[in-house]
Amino acid sequence: DQQVKQNSPSLSVQEGRISILNCDYTNSMFDYFLWYKKYPAEGPTFLISISSIKDKNEDGRFTVFLNKSAKHLSLHIVPSQPGDSAVYFCAAPLPFGNEKLTFGTGTRLTIIP
Amino acid sequence: KAGVTQTPRYLIKTRGQQVTLSCSPISGHRSVSWYQQTPGQGLQFLFEYFSETQRNKGNFPGRFSGRQFSNSRSEMNVSTLELGDSALYLCASRSIGFGNTEAFFGQGTRLTVV
Repeated sequence: DQQVKQNSPSLSVQEGRISILNCDYTNSMFDYFLWYKKYPAEGPTFLISISSIKDKNEDGRFTVFLNKSAKHLSLHIVPSQPGDSAVYFCAAPLPFGNEKLTFGTGTRLTIIP
Repeated sequence: KAGVTQTPRYLIKTRGQQVTLSCSPISGHRSVSWYQQTPGQGLQFLFEYFSETQRNKGNFPGRFSGRQFSNSRSEMNVSTLELGDSALYLCASRSIGFGNTEAFFGQGTRLTVV
């Protein structure tokens, strides 16, 4: 049962434009979400998170939006840069202090110079 | 502050052997989790340790085990290796406190079973 889904396996965006990565979830108990960026053969790097009490969180070029009623979140990167080319995962821990992170399947973002 | 350190980075083993992977968390982090990443299954949770106790476990066979030491360092062991165990094994550490905090990952150990 894939509780966190990233339906776009890949995305190509022109340098300088906005990249929008999407994530859907099915478990209404999720109350905290994270986005990670991953290069091949390396561990994921934390990018940004959002709590369910917010609908937006911004950190520099990265903004995450959460729509609880639709069980949907998105990561916006603007402007996109070549170094942003990587695989992006959204993830959510089970509530009540459970440490297990459930990851989406990832979206490979390619920034075209 | 040093990040999460995993050793070794690369490992080649033959079927039937066993392997031990090591993880040193960020200083002060007491929760250590292990994940397996494969092309077909993505990132899958193996188990989590806190204060030397396994608190959570994923859906992996008993061949996969782990432990945590008093200094929070953790080891993961896989016995009777199978070809399908070839994967990137990732360790993550997290500080435990009020509210949600993010998990920080190491660079992983790439295990190849031949």
